[in-house]
Amino acid sequence: DAGITQSPRYKITETGRQVTLMCHQTWSHSYMFWYRQDLGHGLRLIYYSAAADITDKGEVPDGYVVSRSKTENFPLTLESATRSQTSVYFCASSRPADTQYFGPGTRLTVL
Amino acid sequence: AQSVTQPDIHITVSEGASLELRCNYSYGATPYLFWYVQSPGQGLQLLLKYFSGDTLVQGIKGFEAEFKRSQSSFNLRKPSVHWSDAAEYFCAVEPRGSTLGRLYFGRGTQLTVWP
Repeated sequence: DAGITQSPRYKITETGRQVTLMCHQTWSHSYMFWYRQDLGHGLRLIYYSAAADITDKGEVPDGYVVSRSKTENFPLTLESATRSQTSVYFCASSRPADTQYFGPGTRLTVL
Repeated sequence: AQSVTQPDIHITVSEGASLELRCNYSYGATPYLFWYVQSPGQGLQLLLKYFSGDTLVQGIKGFEAEFKRSQSSFNLRKPSVHWSDAAEYFCAVEPRGSTLGRLYFGRGTQLTVWP
């Protein structure tokens, strides 16, 4: 189906493990974004990307790594998960100077 | 400091009543302005946006918002709320000239609708 998808939708992991959250969009949007949503904080930008192989840090990038080898995919990796990274993660995409469209989110719990 | 403020964390209204959700921003120049809605367990859906022109913006689901430059506000309104409007609402801004259309979000307003 067309749109933006995230996988997995739910993930439980342990402190210190590496976790990768996937994001895939079918619109060929050049811009992609990763946010985390925490109670009382709204959404905060982790990383963003202007195109394949172009990424940059957002407000809260520490502990996260991204890559973008293909336009349609923008995986987010937690290299060594910590409890403070328990959150709901949203991926978004857009055309330049246009509306961002959000995926359904991934709820991550780090024990 | 640059910020997006939604002063009301939680609002409760009766079905059929009118609704106004407040949003104030603090940026040097008028940013692009957005309202998103998030239903439980779902992603964010765009309700409406303001880029320029008419300061009263119509959106989906019967929502509208009014941009007031003098008050640095972009309040969301609906004349008659339906039970299905219960959700969390986020105001967001994109500073003009910002890199890659970065959005900055308010902390959200949770809307409860009484039958």
